[in-house]
Amino acid sequence: EVQLVESGGGLVQPGGSLRLSCAASGFTFSSYAMHWVRQAPGKGLEYVSAISSNGGSTYYANSVKGRFTISRDNSKNTLYLQMGSLRAEDMAVYYCARGGSRIVGVPDYWGQGTLVTVSS
Amino acid sequence: QSVLTQPPSASGTPGQRVTISCSGSSSNIGSNYVYWYQQLPGTAPKLLIYRNNQRPSGVPDRFSGSKSGTSASLAISGLRSEDEADYYCAAWDDSLSAVVFGGGTKLTVL
Repeated sequence: EVQLVESGGGLVQPGGSLRLSCAASGFTFSSYAMHWVRQAPGKGLEYVSAISSNGGSTYYANSVKGRFTISRDNSKNTLYLQMGSLRAEDMAVYYCARGGSRIVGVPDYWGQGTLVTVSS
Repeated sequence: QSVLTQPPSASGTPGQRVTISCSGSSSNIGSNYVYWYQQLPGTAPKLLIYRNNQRPSGVPDRFSGSKSGTSASLAISGLRSEDEADYYCAAWDDSLSAVVFGGGTKLTVL
């Protein structure tokens, strides 16, 4: 059974940093691209970032480019999102999701999400 | 504003058939597969339809997807109270090199 478990969310001040993690199990992590998608309170889904299966290619939404960094450790079956220069508009539930096996693709399985609150 | 356009709301009575539309462009729906997700209140999105019209195992055949040109639709037949949820369409966008989502449609079962 595919499982994705996010962690690392919490309260952070504007301008601060936070690192999210996503522990994957139930599939060959190193064979799949991975995504981060966020959802602000009461709003829709917003793509944040994606990374290819070997980590060689990364993709970012314009809204986070230059502030967020996606990475992965295939030896630990873990996906990361390093977030910096956080703003009020970054406050959301952050989901990690599995992508495609040959291309980055569109997510199929999703984790339960971790809440990031940006407030002073 | 979302790249893909969905109606904000839809409704139907139990047993009815409802459809939710999703409109895009040549760089997303027009050239790539469409995916649909169901999000029940307080939960993560769940894949409902992939590659335009394929259902993952466990998804009832009451749910069906279709695509034509730069638009797609999700149809739900035999509407049930437990179908009340938010529904999102998604596709890869070749111009943005990103996944793009619709703004979501809130389905109410009257």
